[in-house]
Amino acid sequence: GDSVTQMEGPVTLSEEAFLTINCTYTATGYPSLFWYVQYPGEGLQLLLKATKADDKGSNKGFEATYRKETTSFHLEKGSVQVSDSAVYFCALRGGRGGTASKLTFGTGTRLQVTL
Amino acid sequence: ETGVTQTPRHLVMGMTNKKSLKCEQHLGHNAMYWYKQSAKKPLELMFVYNFKEQTENNSVPSRFSPECPNSSHLFLHLHTLQPEDSALYLCASSGWTGGSDEAFFGQGTRLTVV
Repeated sequence: GDSVTQMEGPVTLSEEAFLTINCTYTATGYPSLFWYVQYPGEGLQLLLKATKADDKGSNKGFEATYRKETTSFHLEKGSVQVSDSAVYFCALRGGRGGTASKLTFGTGTRLQVTL
Repeated sequence: ETGVTQTPRHLVMGMTNKKSLKCEQHLGHNAMYWYKQSAKKPLELMFVYNFKEQTENNSVPSRFSPECPNSSHLFLHLHTLQPEDSALYLCASSGWTGGSDEAFFGQGTRLTVV
């Protein structure tokens, strides 16, 4: 079945440092890939997505590129802020047109940014 | 505002109580989901509804009973829960037109079973 593997956290960075959170996946067919973020006490919010190979999703300074050859979707940001402290989830959604539309999540990576 | 509203935000219940969680979306989505988020464990998909029909039940104990009266509303009825059922319960909705549709999540109900 489908699966998502994320790097273990927590990740602790100083403000303005470069961020990478690794994500690799296993899926049949051509899944869509997502990064969600969960701030303390909140539900999950979509951060960015990519729907086909070589697509780059981006939002709020975060980027991730859909790499089919390495089955990866690593999250990056050039300069993190304290307000980026949250838990980040990589996810995939397989299926074609109305089937197998459930999201499969990674375990989440907690990011802590300090001054 | 995510478009998906869950009530209550917090719930404390005894093991013999019966309570219900409510989820509502006005995004025009056809699919709705219940997820369980426990500390230090992956997000667990519990139930999936598509056009009011249950399409997935991930071996969830019968003390959790979902109900989807229409595409905009989803309930999770709880009875005789155990302390290990304490968790954040997240509702989500999405379109059903293809795999590229992202899911929109509510803020969750923090459930504590005492």
